Amino acid sequence: NAGVTQTPKFRVLKTGQSMTLLCAQDMNHEYMYWYRQDPGMGLRLIHYSVGEGTTAKGEVPDGYNVSRLKKQNFLLGLESAAPSQTSVYFCASSQGQGTDTQYFGPGTRLTVL
Amino acid sequence: AQKITQTQPGMFVQEKEAVTLDCTYDTSDPSYGLFWYKQPSSGEMIFLIYQGSYDQQNATEGRYSLNFQKARKSANLVISASQLGDSAMYFCAMRGYSNDYKLSFGAGTTVTVRA
Repeated sequence: NAGVTQTPKFRVLKTGQSMTLLCAQDMNHEYMYWYRQDPGMGLRLIHYSVGEGTTAKGEVPDGYNVSRLKKQNFLLGLESAAPSQTSVYFCASSQGQGTDTQYFGPGTRLTVL
Repeated sequence: AQKITQTQPGMFVQEKEAVTLDCTYDTSDPSYGLFWYKQPSSGEMIFLIYQGSYDQQNATEGRYSLNFQKARKSANLVISASQLGDSAMYFCAMRGYSNDYKLSFGAGTTVTVRA
């Protein structure tokens, strides 16, 4: 019962470095999402995808890029990391839009020094 | 625009007692969904319960129930017979048509269950 998995679980970057976070789901869901969670706050949507080959901006997209080349994978990239991107990143997926439940991965804790 | 408000930053509850977590929302959408998620100290987000805006009955899932008052725009979570494992952060969230069905979260409420 893998559900939604995220790689890596932890990462420390220096300012200006780049990295890619990988999200994979085995539930054949159409929709996938990337959120960030900062201390004392709820999750905020970065980017999302409504299907293979599609991406769209969420609430806080600046400084991030995404790609959905395969239905089961959703990649989040940081081209030039900044300390403001220190956060916990969550991936989620859902079967459809509307009121379908989103299921979350375990999160990636990223620190940018 | 959609907005979720959770006014209780932290709560303490005695083991085996019930606790109610408040959630109010603001939307002009005729159709929307309300969700509660649990985030334990380990960090994962666990789906607990869902209530649709057109559902006639309040949702229940085991010890979790949702007190949905549509006219008041509130969707409070009730946890009955609290257990030590219920200690966690709880988030209320909402999806609706006007926000392209993206999930909007409240700030969360921390629940600590005392033995």
